[in-house]
Amino acid sequence: RKEVEQDPGPFNVPEGATVAFNCTYSNSASQSFFWYRQDCRKEPKLLMSVYSSGNEDGRFTAQLNRASQYISLLIRDSKLSDSATYLCVVMDTGRRALTFGSGTRLQVQP
Amino acid sequence: DAGITQSPRHKVTETGTPVTLRCHQTENHRYMYWYRQDPGHGLRLIHYSYGVKDTDKGEVSDGYSVSRSKTEDFLLTLESATSSQTSVYFCAISESGQPNSPLHFGNGTRLTVT
Repeated sequence: RKEVEQDPGPFNVPEGATVAFNCTYSNSASQSFFWYRQDCRKEPKLLMSVYSSGNEDGRFTAQLNRASQYISLLIRDSKLSDSATYLCVVMDTGRRALTFGSGTRLQVQP
Repeated sequence: DAGITQSPRHKVTETGTPVTLRCHQTENHRYMYWYRQDPGHGLRLIHYSYGVKDTDKGEVSDGYSVSRSKTEDFLLTLESATSSQTSVYFCAISESGQPNSPLHFGNGTRLTVT
């Protein structure tokens, strides 16, 4: 079983739609969580950290459910520029490196 | 953008040849990482470094070695390249290696082993 699992998609949504991605992680000792964004043939970039109480950054909302070991990302009012692959990322207690999911591809259509 | 440069950007090499990829940073960050990215697997950690001459293995370190003789440079070497090492390689840096310290990635090196 992979440490971090994501639905690969693609999610095809119209502009203005709300879309949600989920991610599950296997190690209950995981302590830090992030969403990264990766455009086609580009490097990943940090989108946002995920806090236990949930957090929001503009149109993006991230939530963490430790009991069920999943993380979610909600994008409201989707823009064409949101088209990308979204990577779920976890850091485990005691490790010094991040573990990445395979990513969920989002395609926002006009 | 963080000052990270990877070289070369693209390389085609033959099976059995040695290959060295270079990552250079101008941020004076302590932590540096090498990841590879393949379809269906996402980014997987090869090796990382937490200081000059201090390195450790990641989850897919077999067939790879690294060296860090200066803070700014982190080299990844494939001693004898195999076709399974065809991939996109990303270098990343982190200021502290702590959970709240995000990774900044280089542009990637696309390696093809024929």
